[in-house]
Amino acid sequence: NAGVTQTPKFQVLKTGQSMTLQCAQDMNHNSMYWYRQDPGMGLRLIYYSASEGTTDKGEVPNGYNVSRLNKREFSLRLESAAPSQTSVYFCASIHLKGRSNQPQHFGDGTRLSIL
Amino acid sequence: EDQVTQSPEALRLQEGESSSLNCSYTVSGLRGLFWYRQDPGKGPEFLFTLYSAGEEKEKERLKATLTKKESFLHITAPKPEDSATYLCAVQADSITNTGNQFYFGTGTSLTVIP
Repeated sequence: NAGVTQTPKFQVLKTGQSMTLQCAQDMNHNSMYWYRQDPGMGLRLIYYSASEGTTDKGEVPNGYNVSRLNKREFSLRLESAAPSQTSVYFCASIHLKGRSNQPQHFGDGTRLSIL
Repeated sequence: EDQVTQSPEALRLQEGESSSLNCSYTVSGLRGLFWYRQDPGKGPEFLFTLYSAGEEKEKERLKATLTKKESFLHITAPKPEDSATYLCAVQADSITNTGNQFYFGTGTSLTVIP
């Protein structure tokens, strides 16, 4: 029972390099999210996708792009990495329907360092 | 503005010493309040959902309660394996939030000393 799978688990980049973080869920959830977690800042929403074919900005979208490839997969791209993007990135998914209040399910994160 | 604040930031307890973690929230309409446990190097793991004031949920040594302004996570006779960071999140209904966004507190880092 995989749940939410994130790849890679660790990555080191140089300033200006680009990369894509991958996320896949096998729970047939319609909504997916990307967060970053920094010390003392908690989890901050970067982008989310309420359903296949839609994406919306969260609290800290600058410097990132996302693609909802299909119902299962939601990727996060850094076009030109900056040291300020050094963080731990978490993907989450949930099945939102009407006024449902189900919890999000999280992957184990990608630890990204930008030098 | 929807907001979630957790206290204390860090808590050290002796094994068996009970205590409580606090999560205060400001939202125009609460759809759900969630508690998660996060171990080092791992993603948050769901513990409880609370929907309305007065509600309580229990799991082993943990008990979560909810009022109109805050939630408490009570830890009774903790063990070293309860050491983790505990996160609180709110799903809100408001003009600016259709219920698709969740707001997280910064967490309480709990250390239980044998």
